[in-house]
Amino acid sequence: AQTVTQSQPEMSVQEAETVTLSCTYDTSENNYYLFWYKQPPSRQMILVIRQEAYKQQNATENRFSVNFQKAAKSFSLKISDSQLGDTAMYFCALMDSNYQLIWGAGTKLIIKP
Amino acid sequence: NAGVTQTPKFQVLKTGQSMTLQCAQDMNHEYMSWYRQDPGMGLRLIHYSVGAGITDQGEVPNGYNVSRSTTEDFPLRLLSAAPSQTSVYFCASSYSNRNEKLFFGSGTQLSVL
Repeated sequence: AQTVTQSQPEMSVQEAETVTLSCTYDTSENNYYLFWYKQPPSRQMILVIRQEAYKQQNATENRFSVNFQKAAKSFSLKISDSQLGDTAMYFCALMDSNYQLIWGAGTKLIIKP
Repeated sequence: NAGVTQTPKFQVLKTGQSMTLQCAQDMNHEYMSWYRQDPGMGLRLIHYSVGAGITDQGEVPNGYNVSRSTTEDFPLRLLSAAPSQTSVYFCASSYSNRNEKLFFGSGTQLSVL
């Protein structure tokens, strides 16, 4: 069975600091996609970043970047220069060959002023 | 752009009652899905549809029905509500079933007493 594990239930950092959220996964497939979604207090999920497993280059989106370690099955999210608006739940998700998403339990990130 | 619209935002039901959660999207997306979100757990897929007239079961379909008579609408029916169905429900859509980017509604918080 495919699984996604987020080992940090909650994290907090000061504004402007850099924070890294961890995600590990388990799959027997070779081609797959990985995602990070953000859920702010408004509840609406927003895609932050995606990574295709066959691409070795780590994806980046402005202040957000990933560290994708395929052999270790690790997919961490780094947020640079964190802002108050980054306060949210962050979910890691794996898309399998049936195009269904397997979700982690989430990490609550609090950015302190 | 309305995106994905879910109604109602909040609902309280008594055990045994039935209701329909509404979901509509105006992006001409073929793929639509329903998830439930419970504390400490990732999103779990209830039902999904890859186009009008086509639906299929996800991970946790029991107690729920869906239909897809139009591209725009994908209602979720609770047949006989149970306390175990207390949860936050999300509708999501994407251009195709490849889930490369899901667009989410703002959720429905349902309590079953």
